Amino acid sequence: DIQLTQSPSSLSASLGDRVSITCRASQNIGMFLNWYQHKPGKAPKLLIYTTSSLQTGVPSRFSGSGSGTDFTLTISSLQPEDFATYYCQQTYSTSASTFGQGTKVEIK
Amino acid sequence: EVQLVESGGGLVKPGGSLRLSCAASGFSFNTWSMNWVRQAPGKGLEWVSSISASSDFLYYSDSVKGRFTVSRDNARNSLFLQMTSLRADDTAVYFCARGESMICDHWGQGTLVTVSS
Repeated sequence: DIQLTQSPSSLSASLGDRVSITCRASQNIGMFLNWYQHKPGKAPKLLIYTTSSLQTGVPSRFSGSGSGTDFTLTISSLQPEDFATYYCQQTYSTSASTFGQGTKVEIK
Repeated sequence: EVQLVESGGGLVKPGGSLRLSCAASGFSFNTWSMNWVRQAPGKGLEWVSSISASSDFLYYSDSVKGRFTVSRDNARNSLFLQMTSLRADDTAVYFCARGESMICDHWGQGTLVTVSS
């Protein structure tokens, strides 16, 4: 099974900060890596798919990069609505998928 | 507007069974693969199962394989998850999500399943 490890597990940041979250895969997954935002009691939201493609309606302050085993989600200028937990997901395997353990972004 | 509404969650004893449903609207349900993802209390997201548009391909996580069965009724725009031999560690909010190749672009609000004696 492909394992995904996110870092950090949590972070504190201020409004306007540039924030980066990394996701490391246990094997080469090409660019089959997606990012989601999840707020308590809400449906998760797809932000980025296949490493760097921005989902329709997602603000351009969100971006993704990487390939192979190392990937990054960047928020260029943190906004109040961005405080949430972020998950990476690999969809390299055609018969199974896995999520990272999540990164909680909190207000400093 | 894409809408996904899960139902069927509740309290069940260990070893029991439960059937979850997901009602879809606002898109051509019969052309999309669908997925189930769960979140245990205080834990992260866990992919559970996926089904192709015409039910040709069914996929399961190792943790539910042999106990859970995914199905769909395209005539009724509905997705199902039949859960048997339930265990305490199956306790979670279960989300249905639309998405090809397991990329989940729209999600429901979830339904809570609690497995406890």
